[in-house]
Order: sequence, then C-alpha cells, then structure tokens
Amino acid sequence: QKEVEQNSGPLSVPEGAIASLNCTYSDRGSQSFFWYRQYSGKSPELIMFIYSNGDKEDGRFTAQLNKASQYVSLLIRDSQPSDSATYLCAVNRHGGSQGNLIFGKGTKLSVKP
Amino acid sequence: KAGVTQTPRYLIKTRGQQVTLSCSPISGHRSVSWYQQTPGQGLQFLFEYFSETQRNKGNFPGRFSGRQFSNSRSEMNVSTLELGDSALYLCASSPATDSYEQYFGPGTRLTVT
Repeated sequence: QKEVEQNSGPLSVPEGAIASLNCTYSDRGSQSFFWYRQYSGKSPELIMFIYSNGDKEDGRFTAQLNKASQYVSLLIRDSQPSDSATYLCAVNRHGGSQGNLIFGKGTKLSVKP
Repeated sequence: KAGVTQTPRYLIKTRGQQVTLSCSPISGHRSVSWYQQTPGQGLQFLFEYFSETQRNKGNFPGRFSGRQFSNSRSEMNVSTLELGDSALYLCASSPATDSYEQYFGPGTRLTVT
C-alpha cells in the first residue's frame, strides 16, 4: 500500500463548479496534512494545512480531515480556470517534523471555461 | 522578503560525475528540506537540516549528501551520477522544524546523460 494515495486524474470540472480532491494515507500516526498546488513548470506552493479532524476553510478552499478513515480532502468552490494545476497531498511522517513530508503523486485538475 | 533561491537552475552532467546544488532559504528561516521530483516517483524527501544539523534523511543511497551552513544556506551533493538521478531537485525552507509553512524554491533541473 502506498503511503499517500491520490487519483491521478485528470479531474475536469466546469468553471464555477466545486472541485473535490481526495487523498488517503496509510500511517495512522501522521499528525499534519497539507495541500500544495503545482502549476506546470513551477514549484509547489502551500494552499492549506490541517491537523484536527473536521473542516478548515480559507476563502474558496476547504480542507477536510477524517483521521479514523485516514482520509483528507480539498474542496475548491467556484472553480476558476486559474485553478487548473496539479494538487499534491502531503502528510508528515509519524513522529517526524513538518519538513519531512510524504507526498502523493498529485491529482491534475482542469477547470473548463 | 526574498523567496527561496536555488542555483543553478539547470544543469547537465555526465554519468559518473558529481554535482553540488545550492539553496538559500528565506531570510530568518533556519530549516531547509530537500526533495527530488520525477514523473514516475513524484516528490520524494531527501533530507532536512536545522541549525547545521541533519534532522531527517529519506530513503536515498549514500551518494546523496547534504550540509547546512551557519547562515542557513544549504548544499546537496550527488556523487557518481546515474541516469536515474535526472530530476527536479527542490529545496524548501521554513522558520523551524515544527512550522507548518514550508516554502519551495524554483528548483534545479538536473539532466544526467
């Protein structure tokens, strides 16, 4: 079982719709969960982090964490063409620092005008 | 505040050679992590440094090494290059090892021929 799994996509949604990105992880001891966005040819940029069960909202983005199910998701409301990118889910290693992250391979999101 | 800088941005080397990559973190940041990104394996953690000490190391052979200087700048070295070392090498900085916010540099694209 891979440590962090994401559907590779591409996930295609129309402009204005909600995009839902999902991620599962294998280490029950993981404490912190991150979503990064990576545009083609660019480096990853942090969108959100979450460490408590439940929802965390930041503008159009909502991260959801369910530790019992080992599941973390990212919702993007009112999707825009500029949201088209690869979204990387990352998890810190059990007992590890925040700089030692395990990344999924990413889900490619395409928002159609 | 200037972002993370990495030099060089592009590099072409021959099998068997060695290479040194450099990373300057954001001013005031003391933690530096290195990652390798390839299309097949995605983003993989190499090592993390804080206050000139290696805090964590990923599952890479001993040909991959690094160090951090007193000004928090970091270098990574790859000896006896192999074709499979061709990748984007990303450096990320954060204020400390327990900080949730990690900022990536633009990366160094290494091609081994």
